[in-house]
Amino acid sequence: AQSVTQLDSHVSVSEGTPVLLRCNYSSSYSPSLFWYVQHPNKGLQLLLKYTSAATLVKGINGFEAEFKKSETSFHLTKPSAHRSDAAEYFCVVSDQKDTGRRALTFGSGTRLQVQP
Amino acid sequence: GAGVSQSPSNKVTEKGKDVELRCDPISGHTALYWYRQSLGQGLEFLIYFQGNSAPDKSGLPSDRFSAERTGGSVSTLTIQRTQQEDSAVYLCASSSAGSGRWSDTQYFGPGTRLTVL
Repeated sequence: AQSVTQLDSHVSVSEGTPVLLRCNYSSSYSPSLFWYVQHPNKGLQLLLKYTSAATLVKGINGFEAEFKKSETSFHLTKPSAHRSDAAEYFCVVSDQKDTGRRALTFGSGTRLQVQP
Repeated sequence: GAGVSQSPSNKVTEKGKDVELRCDPISGHTALYWYRQSLGQGLEFLIYFQGNSAPDKSGLPSDRFSAERTGGSVSTLTIQRTQQEDSAVYLCASSSAGSGRWSDTQYFGPGTRLTVL
């Protein structure tokens, strides 16, 4: 079975400072991992995804994430936060091997606040 | 191009009534998914369609929930005899996965906010 744990429900940073949103996963096989962002009253937007190519994945809006198999982690980072980054972020896992269940498993979400 | 669209954007209904939620996937996408986002439950999978294959209904919470996909495109999620615990945002996603591979990106619609009074 696969699962994903987002270690912080809320993260608050100051504008211009680094962002770190933590995610740990559990998967029976080699997973695909995603980060999605959801702005208030908006749909989910893909930030980036890992699919067993390069372990450091660059996404949109300056975000990146590093897949660390030994730590079963896929933390999301950004060097300098912007006010527009304030949103809910979801870490998502899916198994590459056909497990018979064709869906994504979402973490509980991390709400990012960016203080001026 | 056009993304995934859902209608209505908001739906308020009375307990016991039936509701239908609609999803228009991205043109050409063969895979379509329904999820539910509710307070305290996070995002949970409901049902998955892939081409002409039998849908994966493993996430449907009860037999009051059903979904169909006509012509391999538009999908309708139906909730019968709605209950207050059905209140949530219902999200639809589609992907171009020809085989439903997990690495394929799912593109989400804006959702339908359902409120059951």
